[in-house]
Formats: sequence, structure tokens, C-alpha cells
Amino acid sequence: DAKTTQPPSMDCAEGRAANLPCNHSTISGNEYVYWYRQIHSQGPQYIIHGLKNNETNEMASLIITEDRKSSTLILPHATLRDTAVYYCIVRALNNAGNMLTFGGGTRLMVKP
Amino acid sequence: DAGVIQSPRHEVTEMGQEVTLRCKPISGHNSLFWYRQTMMRGLELLIYFNNNVPIDDSGMPEDRFSAKMPNASFSTLKIQPSEPRDSAVYFCASSIGQGNQPQHFGDGTRLSIL
Repeated sequence: DAKTTQPPSMDCAEGRAANLPCNHSTISGNEYVYWYRQIHSQGPQYIIHGLKNNETNEMASLIITEDRKSSTLILPHATLRDTAVYYCIVRALNNAGNMLTFGGGTRLMVKP
Repeated sequence: DAGVIQSPRHEVTEMGQEVTLRCKPISGHNSLFWYRQTMMRGLELLIYFNNNVPIDDSGMPEDRFSAKMPNASFSTLKIQPSEPRDSAVYFCASSIGQGNQPQHFGDGTRLSIL
């Protein structure tokens, strides 16, 4: 699976959009981009995933560049409860067992 | 819907003791994963099962660790004998093991070996 690069930390003001970048320049055609987050003392929580097209659900939006070498997770109106470590993971569709490899993630601090 | 259920939530025991961690996956999920998280090494995959069969245990640190999945609704991770360096948070996750379906995680077991 392709490696991802994320900034180690980011701040965001409460109520504003949080835009979390992820670089995956070695991604191949059959690899999906997944986003998880981990709030302190909890297990990782699935947020969203996509292949080529932009995706949106009740939690967030995922914007994938046309060349698929990078993506951005958008939390449209960040709240204090969105403070967490956010992980961007790239995984191949034919990856046996849906294995995930977690990197260091981005620690997002939402401030009042 | 019930998520992945892990027990116990916290375990404190002395080194040399046997430790058993338990996991109940989401009903209908046929893949199950055990992860370990420490400050130094982050989240690491230990082992995963597909249809109750261990597929890849290359992440299991050593022979002191073993995992079983006797049926589709239950798995255990056992450490015997335990050592202080095994102290970590252990997570279980499950997924529908096909296509691009995401994994769903339990809240973990915080293990402290004294």
C-alpha cells in the first residue's frame, strides 16, 4: 500500500472549516484513500473513504485531486469534540483482509 | 447497532501472569483484527482473521502472544507470560471482508503489566 504524509499537527478555530491535507504521491490506480480519527482514550473511528471522486457524508467531505496524489479531509464546521488525531490511509482494493497501516496522523486541536 | 465490544476495558496485572483479552465483532462482519497502540510505535496490526481463520500473524511480537477465533462472534488475544513491555492499549476491529468496506474499532483494552 502507498505511503502517506500528513502534517503532525494543526489548529482550527471552533465553527470554522478544518482542512486536513494528505500526500500520497505513490498511490496506484486500485488504491482507496481512507480517513479515520482517534479521540483521546477511544478506538479509531472511520470517517470517510474514496477512490477518485469527491465524497461527502454526515461527518466530512473528502476532496481528491485529479492526479490522486493528494487529498483533503474537510470538517465544515469544526467543534471542540472534533479535537483528535486524524489518520489518512491508502489501501488497495485487493489488499487481502482489508488491512490498514496507520502512520503518525495529524493532531487537530480545535480551539474556542 | 452494537459496535465492536472489547473486555475488559482496563487490566492491571503483575508480570508473569497470563492475560486474556476478549473481542466480540459486529454481527455479520467476517474479518477481525487485533491492533496494539503504544506511544513509541503507534498503532500496529498484530493479527487478522477472515472467516475465523488466521490469515496473517506476522505482527505478533513473539510466541508469548496467541490469538484465537473459535466462532464468528468471539475472539481472544492471550499473552503468556506477560511482561512490562506488553503494556499498551489493545484494539479489536471488524469489517465485512470484501471490497472497500471500512474497519470498525472497539474502544480498546488498556493493559498495564507491573
